[in-house]
Amino acid sequence: EPEVTQTPSHQVTQMGQEVILRCVPISNHLYFYWYRQILGQKVEFLVSFYNNEISEKSEIFDDQFSVERPDGSNFTLKIRSTKLEDSAMYFCASSDYRGQAFFGQGTRLTVV
Amino acid sequence: EDKVVQSPLSLVVHEGDTVTLNCSYEVTNFRSLLWYKQEKKAPTFLFMLTSSGIGKKSGRLSSILDKKELFSILNITATQTGDSAVYLCAVDLINNAGNMLTFGGGTRLMVKP
Repeated sequence: EPEVTQTPSHQVTQMGQEVILRCVPISNHLYFYWYRQILGQKVEFLVSFYNNEISEKSEIFDDQFSVERPDGSNFTLKIRSTKLEDSAMYFCASSDYRGQAFFGQGTRLTVV
Repeated sequence: EDKVVQSPLSLVVHEGDTVTLNCSYEVTNFRSLLWYKQEKKAPTFLFMLTSSGIGKKSGRLSSILDKKELFSILNITATQTGDSAVYLCAVDLINNAGNMLTFGGGTRLMVKP
C-alpha cells in the first residue's frame, strides 16, 4: 500500500541551527502538507502546498519556516533558526483531489 | 475561532465492549469531517464524512455526521486490545488547499483484555 515516508525519524539540533525535514508523498497525490504536534497537544496545521506553491499557511508558519519541492518526489520543511518551542513531532501528509490526507510516521524534532 | 472538541478525553473498557466517541465542532466553511486513529506516531485515516445521515462503516467501526447539530460519533463494537489508541477527529475547511484540518484533542481509548 502506498505510504508517505519521512526522514529522519528523530532529529536533535541545537537552538539557532537550521533543520530540514524530508518527506516523500504518495506518488499520485497533488496536495502536500505539514502538520506538527507538540507533546501532549493537538495536531496543528502548518502549511499546504499545491502546484509548486503554498496554498494556505497557519499563523505558526512564520518567516522561519519554508517549504520546497526540490524535485518530483521530495517535499521538505526547513526551519531556519530553531527555537526550543519548535520541539515537536512534524507530520508530512499528502492527498489527492478527494481530500483524504494520509500522514507519514513523523519526524520528532528536539531542539536543545 | 474554529473549534473541534472531543469527548471523553479518555476511556478504559474491556474487550468485547462497545464504545462511542464524540466529536463536536464549531467552524466556518465546513467541508468534511475526518476520523483518524493514532497509535504510536502517524494518524491513520479511518473515515471521511461530508453529508448528514449517511454513515460510514468498516468492520467493527462506524461513524455518522450530524451537520445540523454539528457533531459526529465514532462507534467501535466488540472492542479488541488492538483498538487501543488515540482517536482523532478533524474538520476540513473549504479553502484553496485540498485539506486544511483542524484537529480535536483526541480520545485516548484503552481496551483491557
